[in-house]
Amino acid sequence: GQQLNQSPQSMFIQEGEDVSMNCTSSSIFNTWLWYKQDPGEGPVLLIALYKAGELTSNGRLTAQFGITRKDSFLNISASIPSDVGIYFCAGPQDVYGGATNKLIFGTGTLLAVQP
Amino acid sequence: DAGVTQSPTHLIKTRGQQVTLRCSPKSGHDTVSWYQQALGQGPQFIFQYYEEEERQRGNFPDRFSGHQFPNYSSELNVNALLLGDSALYLCASSLSPRGVWQYFGPGTRLTVL
Repeated sequence: GQQLNQSPQSMFIQEGEDVSMNCTSSSIFNTWLWYKQDPGEGPVLLIALYKAGELTSNGRLTAQFGITRKDSFLNISASIPSDVGIYFCAGPQDVYGGATNKLIFGTGTLLAVQP
Repeated sequence: DAGVTQSPTHLIKTRGQQVTLRCSPKSGHDTVSWYQQALGQGPQFIFQYYEEEERQRGNFPDRFSGHQFPNYSSELNVNALLLGDSALYLCASSLSPRGVWQYFGPGTRLTVL
C-alpha cells in the first residue's frame, strides 16, 4: 500500500535558523498536504499542493510538490520558538474511480527550537 | 465560527469495555472522518461518514463502528476494548467526501487499562 516516509525524524535547532524536511513515497500522490501538530492537539493544515513542481508559501513556510509526484519538501525560514511541534506530510490515498479524502500520513518530523 | 469539537477530552476504560466518542464538524461541513493516532505515529484513517452512511473504511476491525446524525455530527464506537486501542482519536471534517482540506479537532485521548 501507499506509505509516506519523512526525514529527518527529529531536528534540534537554534532560533533564527532555517529548516528543511522532506517526505517521500514509493507511489505517486496527486495532492500533498503539510500539517503541524502541537502536543495534545489535532493536526493543523499548513499548506496544500496540487500540481507537480508547484511551490507554495504560507508566511515563513514554503512547500514544494516534487516533479516525480513521489516527494514533497517543506522549508521554514527564520525559525521561532512557536514553530516547535511535529510536522506531518499527508496525501489522499489513490483509489480506483477517482478522488478520495482518505488521508495517508507520514511518519512525522519533530522540530525543537531553542531560543 | 466554531471549528471541529470533540468530547470527551480524556477517557480511561478497562479491557473489554465499550466506548463512544463524539464529534461536531466545522460549520458548513457535511463529511466527517475518524483517525486513530498511536503515540509517536501519524494518524491512521478509520472511516468516513457522509449523508449518515459509512463511505470509506480503513484497516480496522468491526469492533470500530460509527454513526452520523442529520446535523452532521458523528460518533465513534469501539467495542471489546483492547490495550492496543489506547490512542488519540481524531475527528476531521471537510466540505465534501472528496474534499482534501480536512480540519481536525483536538482529539480524545483514550487509555485502556
